[in-house]
Amino acid sequence: EDKVVQSPLSLVVHEGDTVTLNCSYEVTNFRSLLWYKQEKKAPTFLFMLTSSGIEKKSGRLSSILDKKELFSILNITATQTGDSAIYLCASGNTPLVFGKGTRLSVIA
Amino acid sequence: EAGVAQSPRYKIIEKRQSVAFWCNPISGHATLYWYQQILGQGPKLLIQFQNNGVVDDSQLPKDRFSAERLKGVDSTLKIQPAKLEDSAVYLCASSSQRGTGYAGANVLTFGAGSRLTVL
Repeated sequence: EDKVVQSPLSLVVHEGDTVTLNCSYEVTNFRSLLWYKQEKKAPTFLFMLTSSGIEKKSGRLSSILDKKELFSILNITATQTGDSAIYLCASGNTPLVFGKGTRLSVIA
Repeated sequence: EAGVAQSPRYKIIEKRQSVAFWCNPISGHATLYWYQQILGQGPKLLIQFQNNGVVDDSQLPKDRFSAERLKGVDSTLKIQPAKLEDSAVYLCASSSQRGTGYAGANVLTFGAGSRLTVL
């Protein structure tokens, strides 16, 4: 059975801190690994990674995939209160299997 | 591009009652998914449609849940009778599936969800 495990499950940081969210996966037919941000509405797409070692960046967010060790990290630098959300990791083929998410709280 | 539309946003029912959720995917997206997200958990797939055919419904509790996608566009998810443990957010998502070798087919666009509370 495909499995995606995220850690930590929750995290509280101060504005300006840098955070690293972890995602490990065990899937039978790996196609891609995706990160989503979920606030009080629909999960919104952040990144898709398919190749190992390539970093994807968007502003203060970046992510990297290690296909050998079967994990990915999502980094957020200079955190802001607007970064407070649940960050979901998903992997596998179609359909995707999601982890439980990391709830990030950024306090001023 | 218009997003994935879902309704209702919120629904409160008593156990053993029935409820239906509606989803309209992004225009042209052939693949439609219904996910169940229980508080504190990640989304769990209930059913996947490709056009109007079912691709995967292995995790759908078929004794009480049903779903259809008529004409390969809109979809309806029904629960009858509802149980307390069905309290969750029901997320609809769609994707543009361009073939099994296309990794981008995994990029799902989600609707805002329908929050169900069963009392």
